[in-house]
Amino acid sequence: EDQVTQSPEALRLQEGESSSLNCSYTVSGLRGLFWYRQDPGKGPEFLFTLYSAGEEKEKERLKATLTKKESFLHITAPKPEDSATYLCAVQAVGGYQKVTFGTGTKLQVIP
Amino acid sequence: DSGVTQTPKHLITATGQRVTLRCSPRSGDLSVYWYQQSLDQGLQFLIQYYNGEERAKGNILERFSAQQFPDLHSELNLSSLELGDSALYFCASTPGQDGKLFFGSGTQLSVL
Repeated sequence: EDQVTQSPEALRLQEGESSSLNCSYTVSGLRGLFWYRQDPGKGPEFLFTLYSAGEEKEKERLKATLTKKESFLHITAPKPEDSATYLCAVQAVGGYQKVTFGTGTKLQVIP
Repeated sequence: DSGVTQTPKHLITATGQRVTLRCSPRSGDLSVYWYQQSLDQGLQFLIQYYNGEERAKGNILERFSAQQFPDLHSELNLSSLELGDSALYFCASTPGQDGKLFFGSGTQLSVL
């Protein structure tokens, strides 16, 4: 069964203090690994899709990377508006496959 | 705004009751996913439909059922409700089989 483990559960950063979030996954053939951002009381919002080891994607202060077992979401010089829960998800190859989510990392950026 | 509409936003009901949650996907999206989110378990996959047909099933309880109608909107029916069913229920849509999902704003269910 597909599994996604995210660490840390919570992270508190000072504004401008860069860090990384980790996503470890187990899947029988990776179709795609996804990062989402979720604000309190709202639905998750798509950020990135990564398909193969070595791939990288960037968006503003966020950069996602992928290896065969892990993905990292690097946050460079974060701002308070980056505070949110970041979710990692995987989808296996073959037919119609569910998207399995991790429990997320709750990021707080302090001014 | 993701383009996915969920109603109602909030639902308060009693144990043993039955409720229906509704989801309208983005225009053109054929695939609808349902997820349950609770504080201790994160986003749990319930069920997926594609163009009216069930395609994937997660740990959905027998008390729960869903369907996707010809106009592509979907409904999640929860019956014999228990206190533990209290959670945020999300619907998400995507054009096909891709895992890039567009989520609605959710229905907060409170079972008292």
